[in-house]
Amino acid sequence: GAGVSQSPSNKVTEKGKDVELRCDPISGHTALYWYRQSLGQGLEFLIYFQGNSAPDKSGLPSDRFSAERTGGSVSTLTIQRTQQEDSAVYLCASSLVQGGTEAFFGQGTRLTVV
Amino acid sequence: QQQVKQSPQSLIVQKGGISIINCAYENTAFDYFPWYQQFPGKGPALLIAIRPDVSEKKEGRFTISFNKSAKQFSLHIMDSQPGDSATYFCAARDSGSARQLTFGSGTQLTVLP
Repeated sequence: GAGVSQSPSNKVTEKGKDVELRCDPISGHTALYWYRQSLGQGLEFLIYFQGNSAPDKSGLPSDRFSAERTGGSVSTLTIQRTQQEDSAVYLCASSLVQGGTEAFFGQGTRLTVV
Repeated sequence: QQQVKQSPQSLIVQKGGISIINCAYENTAFDYFPWYQQFPGKGPALLIAIRPDVSEKKEGRFTISFNKSAKQFSLHIMDSQPGDSATYFCAARDSGSARQLTFGSGTQLTVLP
């Protein structure tokens, strides 16, 4: 596809379960970002990948959150032992280069922890 | 610490009116200021952006005004249309190594027909 693809679009999970969210960036984009959007809030930076460099994990809210990017393309955000406060929309974005002037967003994964 | 403050939280404008959304920042290392438009169920999409070396940028009905000394920037939507109803986010990019965007809290705009 031409755009950033995220899956699943919706995820309902029980408290304490682990979840994996997937992001397929635009082909050729070397920079990939994960953001979290809580209801009525702005976008909170979580983690950033640039090529083969070590990721910037400075925005991850706790050690229950982790992410990886395989082969410089697909990324997976994993949340372990989910809590109700993890409920949010998780957005992935990619850009052509690090700090590229346009970041293209996927439509997000809406996570609900019950 | 919120680095980009956005107001108002919500805005209702009549069709044909002017919508104005304001943002203020603290970090002088920001070097790029985009505005994103988000429709329900969609990811944010870049609308217009400005760099700090210019004071104004206009694209169609959308204008960014930038005041570097006051560390403020605003989005003006002229001749607002019902189709402009969406949530608008201002953002700022750090000139440091990560280059991630820091977003404001968003403004929900409703343009009445």
